[in-house]
Amino acid sequence: DAKTTQPPSMDCAEGRAANLPCNHSTISGNEYVYWYRQIHSQGPQYIIHGLKNNETNEMASLIITEDRKSSTLILPHATLRDTAVYYCIVREEGSQGNLIFGKGTKLSVKP
Amino acid sequence: NAGVTQTPKFQVLKTGQSMTLQCAQDMNHNSMYWYRQDPGMGLRLIYYSASEGTTDKGEVPNGYNVSRLNKREFSLRLESAAPSQTSVYFCASSAYVSSYNEQFFGPGTRLTVL
Repeated sequence: DAKTTQPPSMDCAEGRAANLPCNHSTISGNEYVYWYRQIHSQGPQYIIHGLKNNETNEMASLIITEDRKSSTLILPHATLRDTAVYYCIVREEGSQGNLIFGKGTKLSVKP
Repeated sequence: NAGVTQTPKFQVLKTGQSMTLQCAQDMNHNSMYWYRQDPGMGLRLIYYSASEGTTDKGEVPNGYNVSRLNKREFSLRLESAAPSQTSVYFCASSAYVSSYNEQFFGPGTRLTVL
């Protein structure tokens, strides 16, 4: 079973910030939080990851709560091309193999 | 760079037929993976190869075999296809298998078993 809980769907207006929540209340100290997205019919694409501190790159920002039990992915200015399924994944440092994908959040960006 | 490439893009098989899905990466990555994705579901790991010459089972390995042919190529074989293997198959690669290396995914192979 996935270690994360995400809302099944969200809507966002084009040009506005999209804030995607993720609960990972059983996360352990050496588990990272990863975000991937999957645009329709394509392979998943890495977005960002973090351990404790907030992270930002050219695609998004990741805000992790102080207790690390939840996080939020922020797309600062959503475009129609950001419509996708977004997966929040926790993974242990040094673990072998798989990313455990749940069902993710279907984000629909509307004009 | 092409990244991760997969062939074929689409395939229809009859029950009991065999086939091999091909995957190649040009990023000099050590680790490669095969996932399957059923409709409305997340991806599940079938097999992975941490480095050339090694392979390990993932979450759903039954009915599949893999070969890490060289550093670039990782193939997935269905010896006797079953309708339950109808799915989209994704190959991925990463520099190493450790947690902080992002995985790069191919475009997928859509397989239907009748």
